[in-house]
Amino acid sequence: GQQLNQSPQSMFIQEGEDVSMNCTSSSIFNTWLWYKQDPGEGPVLLIALYKAGELTSNGRLTAQFGITRKDSFLNISASIPSDVGIYFCAGQLTDSWGKLQFGAGTQVVVTP
Amino acid sequence: DVKVTQSSRYLVKRTGEKVFLECVQDMDHENMFWYRQDPGLGLRLIYFSYDVKMKEKGDIPEGYSVSREKKERFSLILESASTNQTSMYLCASVPTGDRYGYTFGSGTRLTVV
Repeated sequence: GQQLNQSPQSMFIQEGEDVSMNCTSSSIFNTWLWYKQDPGEGPVLLIALYKAGELTSNGRLTAQFGITRKDSFLNISASIPSDVGIYFCAGQLTDSWGKLQFGAGTQVVVTP
Repeated sequence: DVKVTQSSRYLVKRTGEKVFLECVQDMDHENMFWYRQDPGLGLRLIYFSYDVKMKEKGDIPEGYSVSREKKERFSLILESASTNQTSMYLCASVPTGDRYGYTFGSGTRLTVV
């Protein structure tokens, strides 16, 4: 079953603001992934993290793999209207390659 | 551009019907997955396949079966559809050993009435 706690569930922000969301788990993961889902589409990979403490950026996105390997966060800086969507964290357990556990998602709404 | 294609975007079926959801990928990936997505629950794994004719249960396999007769095609079967199977269904694939996560299809929104 689902082992990831993702928060917040939703965010209503103004254009230009920064966004922060995180995922925590009671289990240790060897991979953390962050996906974005646009309305009517499947999730698309944003950032992949493979090492504890790793900090990775992709444009205005920054994500970190927690030192304990049980958490990760995603930051979006200077949000723009196209950032709207659902953001999912996903983790892969050490003994189950290919089987990802997903968080419940964070719905981001950006207002002008 | 690599693709995972799900045959239907929207389906409406009656309770008790047998339903087939089809997924095709053109990337020669060994591994394919079926997830269902429900609000507040995220994505939950139904079944997956590591190779042709191979299948393994995910977290919520009850009421579903799968078929993988060819490498590029992975079918999800609802033997007797029920209203609690109304959901968004997402197919995904990934090559063995890949470090970059899944490629998802656009999803099939199934409504069972």
